[in-house]
Amino acid sequence: GAVVSQHPSWVICKSGTSVKIECRSLDFQATTMFWYRQFPKQSLMLMATSNEGSKATYEQGVEKDKFLINHASLTLSTLTVTSAHPEDSSFYICSARKASGGGELFFGEGSRLTVL
Amino acid sequence: QQQVKQSPQSLIVQKGGIPIINCAYENTAFDYFPWYQQFPGKGPALLIAIRPDVSEKKEGRFTISFNKSAKQFSLHIMDSQPGDSATYFCAATNTGNQFYFGTGTSLTVIP
Repeated sequence: GAVVSQHPSWVICKSGTSVKIECRSLDFQATTMFWYRQFPKQSLMLMATSNEGSKATYEQGVEKDKFLINHASLTLSTLTVTSAHPEDSSFYICSARKASGGGELFFGEGSRLTVL
Repeated sequence: QQQVKQSPQSLIVQKGGIPIINCAYENTAFDYFPWYQQFPGKGPALLIAIRPDVSEKKEGRFTISFNKSAKQFSLHIMDSQPGDSATYFCAATNTGNQFYFGTGTSLTVIP
């Protein structure tokens, strides 16, 4: 299957700092990438949808000024958690939808963020 | 409003058994139905997917059964193994739009 690389896989930061998570589709182009947040033993909560070259669309209740999403190219999207607080600690997962073929969705490995 | 309803929430089977996970949807415009497998601390991995033009798809020990009239689809795992213990998510989408996920099923296969 197609490969989506997400980095870093885990990060620990101090409260008030910003953290950037990268999501790359390694062997396909992705016009659309999605960012999810997942709490323990729960389903995937969609945070935002990003399309290459345009502003991300955020789900209701997600602060766009806190979770900055940039989709700079057909293979790269980044999520920056600004002024992180302990309540932002979570498992963040990106996914990329193939631009061609059947439009399958592939996920990254996830990033575990811990804010102290 | 949940677009995709998944059941059961958890499932325990003996090795060799055939766990079945069910999903139901409302939007008849959905045209792609994938299943994902997720291990703890990892991102979901695409397992198998089906489109509405077929009623069944099989890949190895994994089979999707699709009932268009009932708007339901299910995942069957044949000869289940302890290594299949994971959380399984069904999803549905209309090409070009976002994916809607079920709430997940935690499967435990007892040796």
